[in-house]
Amino acid sequence: GENVEQHPSTLSVQEGDSAVIKCTYSDSASNYFPWYKQELGKRPQLIIDIRSNVGEKKDQRIAVTLNKTAKHFSLHITETQPEDSAVYFCAASWVPGSARQLTFGSGTQLTVLP
Amino acid sequence: ETGVTQTPRHLVMGMTNKKSLKCEQHLGHNAMYWYKQSAKKPLELMFVYNFKEQTENNSVPSRFSPECPNSSHLFLHLHTLQPEDSALYLCASSTTETGDTQYFGPGTRLTVL
Repeated sequence: GENVEQHPSTLSVQEGDSAVIKCTYSDSASNYFPWYKQELGKRPQLIIDIRSNVGEKKDQRIAVTLNKTAKHFSLHITETQPEDSAVYFCAASWVPGSARQLTFGSGTQLTVLP
Repeated sequence: ETGVTQTPRHLVMGMTNKKSLKCEQHLGHNAMYWYKQSAKKPLELMFVYNFKEQTENNSVPSRFSPECPNSSHLFLHLHTLQPEDSALYLCASSTTETGDTQYFGPGTRLTVL
């Protein structure tokens, strides 16, 4: 099955700096890579995703890059703000049938220091 | 609350109790999922239902029994649980026709004494 590794487990940055979180996956058949943000006591929410036919995707201050050859993908947050503080999870999935199964990384606790 | 709802939000049970968790989605989705979230561990997929049919059971112990009576409702029946089963149980839903995004419910915080 798929295995997703995520680094770092904790990350502290100064407000305004950039943050980068990296994930690697094992199954070359995986073709969908979402990123979720989970604030303390709240549900995970999708912030951005990328498919295997695209190398990079941006949404305002958030971007995701994918390197299929190396089987790794990264989340980039620029101009970080205190409200970006949360746990971020990467995931990888394929479609064994008609419902996707997501395999999640272990999460990164991002703290943005004012 | 719209989207995906879960009840109860908190549950404390003894090892001999029987309880059920409920999930309801108001998004018109056809796939529903149960996940377990333990401290300092990745989200673990437990069960997948697509159009009410179970399509995956990720080696989950039989003390967890899912039920999906229709595409909008999903239950997780619990019996003779162990303390290590204490965790946040998250339900999610998605549509397989137009997208892959899974929408999560707020979770049930389960404590097994």
